[in-house]
Amino acid sequence: GESVGLHLPTLSVQEGDNSIINCAYSNSASDYFIWYKQESGKGPQFIIDIRSNMDKRQGQRVTVLLNKTVKHLSLQIAATQPGDSAVYFCAENINWAYSGAGSYQLTFGKGTKLSVIP
Amino acid sequence: DAGVTQSPTHLIKTRGQQVTLRCSPKSGHDTVSWYQQALGQGPQFIFQYYEEEERQRGNFPDRFSGHQFPNYSSELNVNALLLGDSALYLCASRVQGGDEKLFFGSGTQLSVL
Repeated sequence: GESVGLHLPTLSVQEGDNSIINCAYSNSASDYFIWYKQESGKGPQFIIDIRSNMDKRQGQRVTVLLNKTVKHLSLQIAATQPGDSAVYFCAENINWAYSGAGSYQLTFGKGTKLSVIP
Repeated sequence: DAGVTQSPTHLIKTRGQQVTLRCSPKSGHDTVSWYQQALGQGPQFIFQYYEEEERQRGNFPDRFSGHQFPNYSSELNVNALLLGDSALYLCASRVQGGDEKLFFGSGTQLSVL
């Protein structure tokens, strides 16, 4: 099964409200997490990241929370706008020691579709 | 500053054929990864190239192979295409030993008929 998954496949929010997208991960060896936004016909766009030694990180209108105890990650979007409508993916990286070249292999969940109602 | 660029944007092939997809990493990036994204799914890691060598590989058969050139650009080759290979193929780049942010291109949509 997948190491990273999402609780809600779809989420509809009113414009101006806050959005919360949740993600569960199962691999306790993961030490780096990223949220991506993917619009139709485009590649994933970086939103925000967080390392496992942090609990919270804030960006512009976005906040990522990491709860290592329950292996849970969330993305909060403040004052959601129509342009936020997209599929959101969380992804994790397990920092294996590897050949001196560093290890980087993101594992993605299935995604949550966010629809913003004007 | 150009981001990750991929070509072609769309491709149609028939079963059994071979395909080559191309990627130019973001300026200043030296590490390229390839991901396969089936419809309605998250991207799945295929492999990563650094210093012209395959450094990591996901759970994909040997039909999937790649190459990285001295200018850091990369190719993904898929032989003996199957219907199930139809997907969006994403290239991503980063700086080895630097920031862990991975930047993606817009992908190549491959349809196998």
